[in-house]
Amino acid sequence: QQQVKQSPQSLIVQKGGISIINCAYENTAFDYFPWYQQFPGKGPALLIAIRPDVSEKKEGRFTISFNKSAKQFSLHIMDSQPGDSATYFCAAFRPDSNYQLIWGAGTKLIIKP
Amino acid sequence: GAGVSQSPSNKVTEKGKDVELRCDPISGHTALYWYRQSLGQGLEFLIYFQGNSAPDKSGLPSDRFSAERTGGSVSTLTIQRTQQEDSAVYLCASSLSGSFSFFGPGTRLTVL
Repeated sequence: QQQVKQSPQSLIVQKGGISIINCAYENTAFDYFPWYQQFPGKGPALLIAIRPDVSEKKEGRFTISFNKSAKQFSLHIMDSQPGDSATYFCAAFRPDSNYQLIWGAGTKLIIKP
Repeated sequence: GAGVSQSPSNKVTEKGKDVELRCDPISGHTALYWYRQSLGQGLEFLIYFQGNSAPDKSGLPSDRFSAERTGGSVSTLTIQRTQQEDSAVYLCASSLSGSFSFFGPGTRLTVL
């Protein structure tokens, strides 16, 4: 129940295409869902986040879609660029779990020019 | 400081030696986390601090690993008698309670 399942493990997308990464969770106590972006040699950085009372959040080319009934959420990267090549982690947050983030396993995204 | 800092950025040590990794969180952040990331892998939770206390040490892989935090600020992760399987990037993150985490750049540990 504490897990967040992320897929795919790796993804190759052509420049200009749409990158889609999916995550699923079981615990309905999760109430905050961030996505982190990690470039090689760097720590993860917060990219975008959503709360379950919202079905979609968009920031520039990045969109989170949230399906509360299915307990799934996804990251869409529109007009994907080579600079988007990175590892993406989804996470879920429970306020009663010492404020720990429960992490997905990560998706390595490669954007081909 | 402006962000989370970690030192050293790289550490090469011989098997059996002890190492200390340091994390300076963002000023005012009460929560501090240590994670371990092996090459190409996800984040493995090690320990969580709220202030100077560690309510969750469940992720520490063995009794060779310990951590402390002083003054509600700087934290040190100590690995005793290092083994080759300890080689990884050790990441520190801090946050205000109930908010998202900011990560440092990590310390790359190589045990020969």
